[in-house]
Amino acid sequence: KAGVTQTPRYLIKTRGQQVTLSCSPISGHRSVSWYQQTPGQGLQFLFEYFSETQRNKGNFPGRFSGRQFSNSRSEMNVSTLELGDSALYLCASSLGGGSEAFFGQGTRLTVV
Amino acid sequence: AQSVTQLGSHVSVSEGALVLLRCNYSSSVPPYLFWYVQYPNQGLQLLLKYTSAATLVKGINGFEAEFKKSETSFHLTKPSAHMSDAAEYFCAVSDLNFGNEKLTFGTGTRLTIIP
Repeated sequence: KAGVTQTPRYLIKTRGQQVTLSCSPISGHRSVSWYQQTPGQGLQFLFEYFSETQRNKGNFPGRFSGRQFSNSRSEMNVSTLELGDSALYLCASSLGGGSEAFFGQGTRLTVV
Repeated sequence: AQSVTQLGSHVSVSEGALVLLRCNYSSSVPPYLFWYVQYPNQGLQLLLKYTSAATLVKGINGFEAEFKKSETSFHLTKPSAHMSDAAEYFCAVSDLNFGNEKLTFGTGTRLTIIP
């Protein structure tokens, strides 16, 4: 059974650009969550989608957005990139309803 | 708001010694608690979870954790450390009411194993 797949693994962008990260959940999982991991702030929740609906959102500016498709695949977008957006972005999928979350290997974004 | 506090950002133990990583939680509702491990340049792997069944939870790789409501703690232990246990460990909490899959993580504990 394939795990959570995140693409790309590494990304370098310039300040002011925008970026789209992709997450393919485990087959059958309908919940997809996104987290940002930085040395200074640790692991912070961005948002969670379930059956194409955003159910929960963390405390991030509107430059951070996401969506989920009918096949449960999810994308997150960051517009007008800032240096502080450099981080490891992790996606997690679960069946929902309290089942455990499985994480992908993450996308490491570097903003220069 | 829920939160977890991990005491000790760095812990070093000798190979074969007891591993004890501390986690205290704060929650207004019965919590679901988790321990995850992260190896360099990798995502998070679930070690174990507590969801209000048995208070002593056994996980993978010989780890276990005990939920103590009176102490609001969920410490992670392993009787005998192995070199492969060197990694960063995160405690997390969620109320996991239906519709809330958000995990709130602690700041992490980096475990070093001394040969």
